[in-house]
Amino acid sequence: SQTIHQWPATLVQPVGSPLSLECTVEGTSNPNLYWYRQAAGRGLQLLFYSVGIGQISSEVPQNLSASRPQDRQFILSSKKLLLSDSGFYLCAWRYRDRGWGTGELFFGEGSRLTVL
Amino acid sequence: AQSVTQLGSHVSVSEGALVLLRCNYSSSVPPYLFWYVQYPNQGLQLLLKYTSAATLVKGINGFEAEFKKSETSFHLTKPSAHMSDAAEYFCAVSDRYNDYKLSFGAGTTVTVRA
Repeated sequence: SQTIHQWPATLVQPVGSPLSLECTVEGTSNPNLYWYRQAAGRGLQLLFYSVGIGQISSEVPQNLSASRPQDRQFILSSKKLLLSDSGFYLCAWRYRDRGWGTGELFFGEGSRLTVL
Repeated sequence: AQSVTQLGSHVSVSEGALVLLRCNYSSSVPPYLFWYVQYPNQGLQLLLKYTSAATLVKGINGFEAEFKKSETSFHLTKPSAHMSDAAEYFCAVSDRYNDYKLSFGAGTTVTVRA
């Protein structure tokens, strides 16, 4: 069966410090990978998605970046955090081949970031 | 582009009462539709999905949803609420012409009164 892991689960960082959130998927290959942010009362915002190693698409301009160094690894980073980067970050994956699905996403447990 | 609108950001129900969460979609083609649930400080879990088969879809935890093309709706219901149903619920639509990207509604928070 497939599983998705995200870490760290919680993080408190000062403004201006760097960030690295990591996500890995097990039990499948060539997944599409996604990073979402959930700010209080603002629903889910798609930040980045990737269809393959080194292929990153950004949905919104921001202080964050993403990388996919391996097929099942997805990293969210920042060089200098802003207060507005606080939120709940969710990694998700889905089958890449359309024959396997309908766009259904499978989510990790999330990482709560507080920037002070 | 596809989109969904969830009517009501908060719903409060008594234990044992009907749960009804409303979702309307906008799509130029037959959509794929989903309901997800999120418990506090957790990721999203799929409740059910509509993929153009049966219009009445049954999901986990006693939830079901009915696809109504004429009303462009996909409302989520549960006949009898349990305390454990307290969570946030998201409706989503998949854009099959844009690499199946999901667009989420703003979410509805459900509280259950004893």
